[in-house]
Order: sequence, then structure tokens, then C-alpha cells
Amino acid sequence: AQRVTQPEKLLSVFKGAPVELKCNYSYSGSPELFWYVQYSRQRLQLLLRHISRESIKGFTADLNKGETSFHLKKPFAQEEDSAMYYCALLETSGSRLTFGEGTQLTVNP
Amino acid sequence: DAGVTQSPTHLIKTRGQQVTLRCSPKSGHDTVSWYQQALGQGPQFIFQYYEEEERQRGNFPDRFSGHQFPNYSSELNVNALLLGDSALYLCASSLAGGEGTDTQYFGPGTRLTVL
Repeated sequence: AQRVTQPEKLLSVFKGAPVELKCNYSYSGSPELFWYVQYSRQRLQLLLRHISRESIKGFTADLNKGETSFHLKKPFAQEEDSAMYYCALLETSGSRLTFGEGTQLTVNP
Repeated sequence: DAGVTQSPTHLIKTRGQQVTLRCSPKSGHDTVSWYQQALGQGPQFIFQYYEEEERQRGNFPDRFSGHQFPNYSSELNVNALLLGDSALYLCASSLAGGEGTDTQYFGPGTRLTVL
């Protein structure tokens, strides 16, 4: 069965520092991976999807099939990046999203 | 486009009761998925509806059932409510077929409290 692991429940950095949110997965098929973000009092929203290879709000994520990882990175964190971040894996059938438990990122001034 | 909408926003029920939650998908989307998010956890997949049929189901008991209407909107029904059913219920919509179109977009959720 597919599984997504986010090892850090909480992550705190200072403004301007680099940030990396870790995500590891296990899946027997070809994975489709996503990062979703939830800002305070807002709905869960898509941040990026690995096949699009986009950089959204300065965030990037590279799929590493050898290490089964999809870590989210940003070189210079901003206070407005403070939010809950979820890594998710979409099954090949396109039906089920399996989420990690999330990492609460706090960017301090 | 208001995106995915859900109603009601909040709901309080007692054990043993039944509840119906509603979801309208984003304009142009034809597929609706439901998730349960307990406090402090990531969302858990309940089931997905496409062409008015349940396409896939997660590890949830038969007390959880759903429906999709011809206009693609959907309902989630939970019977014989338990205290453990208290959670945020999320609806997500997507468009079936084609690379990238199956990205799921989420509604604001319905907060269900079972007393």
C-alpha cells in the first residue's frame, strides 16, 4: 500500500533562511506527487505538482526516485510562508490521494 | 468561479444520528472525492465519484455512503454516527482523463462534531 511520510511535525526557521520540508513515499507504481499548503483559516490549496516542474512562490520540489523522496525547498523563507504543508501521492488510477501528516512551518521575523 | 463549495460549514450531531454533507465541484470538473481529516492528521481518502458511480473507496465502513448527481455535485452520508466521526470533511474536485487534469482542488470543508 502507498504511504507518505513527513518526518517533521513542526519546523521553525528565521526569515531569509533556507527551508526544506521533507517528504518520503512508498509506492509500487509510478508516483505522481504534490505539495499542498494550508494557510491559517484558508482551504487546502495546491502548491505544486512534480510533473509541472514549476516554481510556485519560490518553492521547488524534485522527485528523487532512488531515495523515494520529494522534498520541498525554498532558498529564502518569508514570514508569509508560515503555514501547514502536506505532501501527497496520487495513485496511477488518478483516484486516491494519500497524504502525509503535515509539517507546520513557522517563519520567524 | 467560486471553486469547490461545501455546505454546511459546521454541524453538530449526537451519537446514532445520520448526517448529509454536500459538495459542488469547481466549474468544468466532473469528479468528486471525499476526505476525512481528524485533528492533527492529514486527510484520509473516503471515496471518489465519477459518472454518478463510486469509482474507488478507502478504508471506511459502509456507514459512509455517497452519491453524485447529473450536475456532478455530490453528497456524503454518514449513518449511526460515532464520536470518532468528529472531523473536518473535505471535498475535492478534478477532471477525469488527460495528464495534469486529475489534480484535485479542495473545498473549505465541513466541520462535523458528534456529541
